[in-house]
Amino acid sequence: QQQVKQSPQSLIVQKGGISIINCAYENTAFDYFPWYQQFPGKGPALLIAIRPDVSEKKEGRFTISFNKSAKQFSLHIMDSQPGDSATYFCAASISPGNTPLVFGKGTRLSVIA
Amino acid sequence: GAVVSQHPSWVICKSGTSVKIECRSLDFQATTMFWYRQFPKQSLMLMATSNEGSKATYEQGVEKDKFLINHASLTLSTLTVTSAHPEDSSFYICSARLRRTGKRYEQYFGPGTRLTVT
Repeated sequence: QQQVKQSPQSLIVQKGGISIINCAYENTAFDYFPWYQQFPGKGPALLIAIRPDVSEKKEGRFTISFNKSAKQFSLHIMDSQPGDSATYFCAASISPGNTPLVFGKGTRLSVIA
Repeated sequence: GAVVSQHPSWVICKSGTSVKIECRSLDFQATTMFWYRQFPKQSLMLMATSNEGSKATYEQGVEKDKFLINHASLTLSTLTVTSAHPEDSSFYICSARLRRTGKRYEQYFGPGTRLTVT
């Protein structure tokens, strides 16, 4: 119940295309869903996050879509650029308190010109 | 934005020695800090959760006597790898939780420390 399943494991997208990464969870107590971007040799950087009271959140080229009934959420990267090539992790946790984030296994995105 | 620093960024040590890694939240007070370990091309593995002034909570399978965590203040946590061995070589990343208004919070990661034990 604590798992967050992320797919695909790897993704190749043409420059200018849309990258879509999906995550699914089981624990209905989760109420915070962030996405992190990690470049090789660096720590993960918080990209965007959503809570269950909204179905979509957009920040620049990054959009989270959230489907509470299906227990799924996804990251869309519009107009993907080579600089977006990185590993993306979805995560989930329960607030408030000290409960740690539960991470997906990650998606390696390659944006090719 | 919230900034978390780690020091050192990389370290090489000999087998049997101890290594200390510092994690600092530079522009905020962290309610909680977390320590992760990451192997190449894998996800982050939570090692322990740390609150200021109290003992860290270790995840199952993580040796608390080997990975000593001290949370001295709301901005500083340290991880000491004692009697390091080659199998401890890994990328160690700390994270600090920032409380926003109400129940909202965000979690920020440090840049990581690459530990190589020879």
